[in-house]
Formats: sequence, structure tokens, C-alpha cells
Amino acid sequence: DVKVTQSSRYLVKRTGEKVFLECVQDMDHENMFWYRQDPGLGLRLIYFSYDVKMKEKGDIPEGYSVSREKKERFSLILESASTNQTSMYLCASSGYSEQFFGPGTRLTVL
Amino acid sequence: AQSVTQLGSHVSVSEGALVLLRCNYSSSVPPYLFWYVQYPNQGLQLLLKYTTGATLVKGINGFEAEFKKSETSFHLTKPSAHMSDAAEYFCAVSDSGSARQLTFGSGTQLTVLP
Repeated sequence: DVKVTQSSRYLVKRTGEKVFLECVQDMDHENMFWYRQDPGLGLRLIYFSYDVKMKEKGDIPEGYSVSREKKERFSLILESASTNQTSMYLCASSGYSEQFFGPGTRLTVL
Repeated sequence: AQSVTQLGSHVSVSEGALVLLRCNYSSSVPPYLFWYVQYPNQGLQLLLKYTTGATLVKGINGFEAEFKKSETSFHLTKPSAHMSDAAEYFCAVSDSGSARQLTFGSGTQLTVLP
């Protein structure tokens, strides 16, 4: 079974904190993605990566950065968390034909 | 640019009734089309996908979808709803010829009434 794991299911942080969300996949996929999910808006792509040390901006990259130092790991970083970044964050990885999703991290910024 | 419209953010059906979730897309090239399901507090799981070939695609849990190019649609159906089908459903499109660049619809929450 393909597995995409995320470091936390629930996270509560304070405004201004630096936040790290970690994602690991075990299928040797080259492509990895970070999405944000909000009610009524579906999934919006924040950043994606096609290879180690490569990153591309998605539709809503503002306020976020990413890091991919190893093929299996893709990190999302909130440099200074704000209340409008309270959301569900989903990581995915893919080969050619399908994206596989992790369970999500529900982040609350107070 | 590709886009997806899911008609109806909430759909309710009775147990045993037909499930029909609507998805229309726009794409400048032959699309890849996907339906994903999200159960409460979980990530997304692939239900089915269309890439090329047969336009009627069968997926898991008795769901199927038909690609209709002339209508730019990819509606999801199931003949008889089960209580366990209650979830949120997302349609997605890719015009990159792979699953690398997906654009998702806003989702449809399916409620199954006893």
C-alpha cells in the first residue's frame, strides 16, 4: 500500500510562530504537493516539487515556503503564522497516474 | 487554463436511491479526470479516473462516471446509496497528460438519509 504520512493530525499555534508541517511518502514518487482545504473552496495548491531541491509555486504560495532535501520528504513552512492560515493542510505524492494523499493536518492559529 | 465546477455543494439522497454528483470541466486539451472521496477526518482517496479509452469508468464501492466530451462533463453515479457513502466528493481535472497538475472542484457533501 502506498503511504503518505503527515507529522501531526492536529496542531495549535500562536500568531507569529514558525510552523513546520512534515510529509513523508514511501513510494519513491518524484512529485509531491501541499494543498490547503477550506470549506466551499475545495483544495488549493500551495507548492509542489518535481524533484529533490526543486519547488514550484502553486496558486496560493503567499505566506508559505517549502523544503525538499530528500526525495521522500516534503516540508511546508509557515514563517510567521497568522490566523488566516487556520485550515486543513493536505500533502500528496504522485507518480504518473494518480495523486495519493496523506490524512491531513488541521492547523489552528490563535 | 483548466477549471472544474461541481454543481451542488450539498446533496441528500435516501438510502437505496440513485446517487448523482455533477462535475463539469474546462480544458484546452484532452483531459484526465478524477473523482476523489474524503471521509470525515481523513485524506482524499481515489474513487475512479478517466485517462483515455472507454468513456464509462468504473471505480470502487460501486461508483462509476461517464466522460462526455460534447457536454464537458464527468458526472459520478451509484445506483443505490448506502449509509457508508456519506462523505465529501471532489472532482479534479488535469490537462498535463498526467496526475501532476490537478485542479479540484469545490466539493460536494453527500448525505444519505435512512
